[in-house]
Amino acid sequence: AAGVIQSPRHLIKEKRETATLKCYPIPRHDTVYWYQQGPGQDPQFLISFYEKMQSDKGSIPDRFSAQQFSDYHSELNMSSLELGDSALYFCASSDRTSGGAYNEQFFGPGTRLTVL
Amino acid sequence: AQTVTQSQPEMSVQEAETVTLSCTYDTSENNYYLFWYKQPPSRQMILVIRQEAYKQQNATENRFSVNFQKAAKSFSLKISDSQLGDTAMYFCAFMSLDGNKLVFGAGTILRVKS
Repeated sequence: AAGVIQSPRHLIKEKRETATLKCYPIPRHDTVYWYQQGPGQDPQFLISFYEKMQSDKGSIPDRFSAQQFSDYHSELNMSSLELGDSALYFCASSDRTSGGAYNEQFFGPGTRLTVL
Repeated sequence: AQTVTQSQPEMSVQEAETVTLSCTYDTSENNYYLFWYKQPPSRQMILVIRQEAYKQQNATENRFSVNFQKAAKSFSLKISDSQLGDTAMYFCAFMSLDGNKLVFGAGTILRVKS
């Protein structure tokens, strides 16, 4: 079965640079979620999109922006990178339209961002 | 806002034995979902088991079962017949009924010893 695809899997950037992380949800999934997991920490919710509209917003820095495109893939844009942005970034997708009250989130393998 | 607390940073268990991981949460909602996720060294997030708060019966998935105590806001995970492949970080997570963000606990590292 198709899974959530994230690219790149690994990314190394310098401070103050920009980075773009991409997420391709499971086919027919309409909702995308982004989470940030720092070293030794639990995943923290950043932002979510449903049918290309922002659905919920968590602790996402103003330096970060995200969007969901017409093909439902999503991109997380990160500017003015800081050392503290080094983390594993997960994307998850769900089928909110058909899922009813419960829509399970399926996680991608994550993108490991290292800021030097 | 909901919070999830896992008070055991690390646990160890001998292969084939049983171990219980603890989780408590705080919410003012009456209906919600609770989950246990496994994160092995590969860092992939794997759903282990889920529980709907409106169901009194505890969820079971093969060797994994939960003890859900709604009034006490407690949601523990029991792993029976522990296997070396169960070695991982385990996260307890909460999700509101509107099904948006997951709120995770700090995690418990489980080591299964041979």
